[in-house]
Amino acid sequence: KNQVEQSPQSLIILEGKNCTLQCNYTVSPFSNLRWYKQDTGRGPVSLTIMTFSENTKSNGRYTATLDADTKQSSLHITASQLSDSASYICVVSAMNYGGATNKLIFGTGTLLAVQP
Amino acid sequence: GAVVSQHPSRVICKSGTSVKIECRSLDFQATTMFWYRQFPKQSLMLMATSNEGSKATYEQGVEKDKFLINHASLTLSTLTVTSAHPEDSSFYICSARMASGGINIQYFGAGTRLSVL
Repeated sequence: KNQVEQSPQSLIILEGKNCTLQCNYTVSPFSNLRWYKQDTGRGPVSLTIMTFSENTKSNGRYTATLDADTKQSSLHITASQLSDSASYICVVSAMNYGGATNKLIFGTGTLLAVQP
Repeated sequence: GAVVSQHPSRVICKSGTSVKIECRSLDFQATTMFWYRQFPKQSLMLMATSNEGSKATYEQGVEKDKFLINHASLTLSTLTVTSAHPEDSSFYICSARMASGGINIQYFGAGTRLSVL
């Protein structure tokens, strides 16, 4: 069964600190992995996207890693800001056999709260 | 990045009425759009895949007569919640798919909060 699990479920950190969010998946065949940021009451916004051959990708203070062998990914946030408070969702894309459609499998997200 | 506009952002309606939600890709053409539903503290659940010029593909357990989807053009898909009931209250999010460098990227709308009284 294709699944994406994230940890921790929620996290509270102080402004300026770093944090790392984890994502484990059992999706096959694997196409790519994405991290999204979702503010409360808003739609998800893409942070990074990585294919099988990529093991790290950065977007400003966000750095994602991917280990396709162990099927794990992490999202590292550096020097956190109050505006980083949001839900961070790991999404894995599965390739459908014989088709171009990639089905997205969503993790349940990590709710991050950055406090002053 | 690409922009997907979703309207309205919030709607409150009486039980039994129908509500239409629009999803537009503003700066690219999307042959495929997706409609998701999200309950509090839960992840997005795919409801249906909207294909331009053809019938939508619904996920198991989603009533197609309840959630009518129309994808009349390459930039517009609509979701109509027919005869809405309080249990339909939820956060509905659309996304539009764009091919980029061999990878299909989905851009999400800002979501619509539906409250059925």
